[in-house]
Amino acid sequence: GAVVSQHPSWVICKSGTSVKIECRSLDFQATTMFWYRQFPKQSLMLMATSNEGSKATYEQGVEKDKFLINHASLTLSTLTVTSAHPEDSSFYICSVAGNFYEQYFGPGTRLTVT
Amino acid sequence: GESVGLHLPTLSVQEGDNSIINCAYSNSASDYFIWYKQESGKGPQFIIDIRSNMDKRQGQRVTVLLNKTVKHLSLQIAATQPGDSAVYFCAETVSADRGSTLGRLYFGRGTQLTVWP
Repeated sequence: GAVVSQHPSWVICKSGTSVKIECRSLDFQATTMFWYRQFPKQSLMLMATSNEGSKATYEQGVEKDKFLINHASLTLSTLTVTSAHPEDSSFYICSVAGNFYEQYFGPGTRLTVT
Repeated sequence: GESVGLHLPTLSVQEGDNSIINCAYSNSASDYFIWYKQESGKGPQFIIDIRSNMDKRQGQRVTVLLNKTVKHLSLQIAATQPGDSAVYFCAETVSADRGSTLGRLYFGRGTQLTVWP
């Protein structure tokens, strides 16, 4: 399967600032990527579907102006959390869509907003 | 289907015993199911998948059973080892959801498996 990396693996930021998380597909052309959020001891919640060269599709209840997604190449998608607040503290995970139904997940990014 | 805001059930087993992890899904249109293992602080790892035209599939030490009548999925792990300790999620997708791209995955609430030596 695809090897997916995320950077940074963890980040601490102050309330009101913005933070960018990168998701890279190292050996697979990532036409479609997904972004998830996971709170402690809870399941993964799909935030948005990102397609290379087009606008992301956001799930209901996810603010597109707060969670900016850019997927400008077949190897990189970025998620920017704008004007972060403590309630945005979470584990953010990206995945790359494979050739069929499978998804290859990154290692996740732990965001803490103080 | 999605399970937002629910906390994880737990399963504790002795090393060497078999484990059975269950998952209920709600969307009768779902036609592909995947089990993932997630260790603490890491992303999910693929374990095994099954399509809706099957009711059983076996892998190395793992078996997935699908009962479409009651919308139930189970993961059986044989001879459970301490390294199997993790959270296990089932995920479902609907092929009609794909359009021109791959379908979205919807995760179940997960089960925390703890294996005691």
